[in-house]
Amino acid sequence: SQTIHQWPATLVQPVGSPLSLECTVEGTSNPNLYWYRQAAGRGLQLLFYSVGIGQISSEVPQNLSASRPQDRQFILSSKKLLLSDSGFYLCAWSGPDRGQPQHFGDGTRLSIL
Amino acid sequence: GNSVTQMEGPVTLSEEAFLTINCTYTATGYPSLFWYVQYPGEGLQLLLKATKADDKGSNKGFEATYRKETTSFHLEKGSVQVSDSAVYFCALSGNAGGTSYGKLTFGQGTILTVHP
Repeated sequence: SQTIHQWPATLVQPVGSPLSLECTVEGTSNPNLYWYRQAAGRGLQLLFYSVGIGQISSEVPQNLSASRPQDRQFILSSKKLLLSDSGFYLCAWSGPDRGQPQHFGDGTRLSIL
Repeated sequence: GNSVTQMEGPVTLSEEAFLTINCTYTATGYPSLFWYVQYPGEGLQLLLKATKADDKGSNKGFEATYRKETTSFHLEKGSVQVSDSAVYFCALSGNAGGTSYGKLTFGQGTILTVHP
């Protein structure tokens, strides 16, 4: 069966520090991968999605970037965190065909001080 | 473009009450429809899905029927439990041509609280 792992579960970082959140998927190949941010337990905002290695599409301009160095690995990064980057970050995967559900990781709670 | 509208919450019910959370959508073509549930501090879990008109998705006592004529996918449960307290999201995945790449369009979420 397929599983998705996200880490760390919680992270507290100072303003201006770098960020690296990692997501890996097991049990499937060539998944579509997604990064979301969720504020205040509601309203998911799609940040990035990827349909293959090295292929990243950004949905909103922001202080973050994403990379996909391997088929089942998706990384969310920042060179300098802002206070506004605080939130709950979720990684998800889906099969390559349209109309399929997405499957989510457990999320990372990021707090910027 | 695609959009999903959920009923405003929060919804507060007593245990064993009947639950309905309304969801309507706008989409081109024939989207797939989903309900997700999010428990506090966790990621989203797929609750049920329907891929074509008149399909009924069901899981854990929850049901939703894909109604193309009313563009709706309302979530129902006959008797809620305290453990059903969570945030519920309606979502669609476009099946029309273009570059949707399986992206989901989510509703804003409905908070459900069930009291003993």
